[in-house]
Amino acid sequence: DTAVSQTPKYLVTQMGNDKSIKCEQNLGHDTMYWYKQDSKKFLKIMFSYNNKELIINETVPNRFSPKSPDKAHLNLHINSLELGDSAVYFCASSQDWGRYSYNEQFFGPGTRLTVL
Amino acid sequence: GQNIDQPTEMTATEGAIVQINCTYQTSGFNGLFWYQQHAGEAPTFLSYNVLDGLEEKGRFSSFLSRSKGYSYLLLKELQMKDSASYLCAVRAVNQAGTALIFGKGTTLSVSS
Repeated sequence: DTAVSQTPKYLVTQMGNDKSIKCEQNLGHDTMYWYKQDSKKFLKIMFSYNNKELIINETVPNRFSPKSPDKAHLNLHINSLELGDSAVYFCASSQDWGRYSYNEQFFGPGTRLTVL
Repeated sequence: GQNIDQPTEMTATEGAIVQINCTYQTSGFNGLFWYQQHAGEAPTFLSYNVLDGLEEKGRFSSFLSRSKGYSYLLLKELQMKDSASYLCAVRAVNQAGTALIFGKGTTLSVSS
């Protein structure tokens, strides 16, 4: 039944480690996104993929690398984790990409990453 | 650049009406969304406006004025469960693609 799922829900790790967050959507959407929500609840786009192709890559450190094995999956790999990476990461998906499409984005439950 | 402003916090009582304003400055405007986010949960879609005017959906309505760069979300007959953060998001289309630019959210507290 789950539309957009993410694993893990919680991730606690040490500085310097490498970790991955997985995202899957079963809605048949063409476009997937990663957002970061900081401690002040500000939700900011990180990446957008359409049909496995990177469309948007906002100003994020190179330590963050998205990978889309197929259009239903968009994983986020983070190298050399830093304290400032602590946040909630949301995956989202939407139907159709393009200038004139307006379908809403469906968000996953979020992954709370804590870097110690 | 892109800029979206909305009040940080609002309070109201059950049964009342509250209006949450959002002003934006953006290039490539292609629609405005309102999302609701309860603490510890994912944002969920409430409304979408791309043309000027009012969109009504049950107890919630959203208004857009593109010339003024202004929108509001109107919540009627407030219930305790409406206590949440309300996020205004502008859809911006540019050469890189399409993205939702979110405001910082308005935390609404509904009391009895």
